Amino acid sequence: GDSVTQMEGPVTLSEEAFLTINCTYTATGYPSLFWYVQYPGEGLQLLLKATKADDKGSNKGFEATYRKETTSFHLEKGSVQVSDSAVYFCALSKRTYNQGGKLIFGQGTELSVKP
Amino acid sequence: NAGVTQTPKFRILKIGQSMTLQCTQDMNHNYMYWYRQDPGMGLKLIYYSVGAGITDKGEVPNGYNVSRSTTEDFPLRLELAAPSQTSVYFCASSYQGSGGDIQYFGAGTRLSVL
Repeated sequence: GDSVTQMEGPVTLSEEAFLTINCTYTATGYPSLFWYVQYPGEGLQLLLKATKADDKGSNKGFEATYRKETTSFHLEKGSVQVSDSAVYFCALSKRTYNQGGKLIFGQGTELSVKP
Repeated sequence: NAGVTQTPKFRILKIGQSMTLQCTQDMNHNYMYWYRQDPGMGLKLIYYSVGAGITDKGEVPNGYNVSRSTTEDFPLRLELAAPSQTSVYFCASSYQGSGGDIQYFGAGTRLSVL
């Protein structure tokens, strides 16, 4: 079945360091890919998405490119801030007739940014 | 604009008790979802609904029930609570349910079954 695999955390970085969180997926067809972020004590919120191969999603300095040839959607940011400390989830979604766009999540990667 | 609202935020249950987790959205979304999040794991889909009166099972439905009598509300029912249901529960909604559709999440309900 469809699945998402993320690099394990926790990831600890110093402020202004470069961030990469790896995400690979297994899916038939043409899934849409997402990164969701969960700040402490809050629900998930969308960070960025890409709906077709070679699309680049970007938001708040974060970027990810949909690579079909490597089935990957790695999250990157050039200079992290303490406020980026959160748990990051990679997810995929496919539209199945009359079943909605159900999300399949990776296990999440906790990021901690130190001043 | 409230978005997706879940109540309660925290709850402790004894084994065998029952409870209903409430979820309401004010965005007129047709699609609604219930997920559970276990420590160190991603979210897993429990049940979903594509519109009022229509619900279906997700990946981990055992021990849960849902109903969808209105577009706004999608309560999740635990009939006989078990320790394995200790988790954080998230409700979400989306407009079209298409593959690229964004899901909007509530803040979650943290449930402990002791």
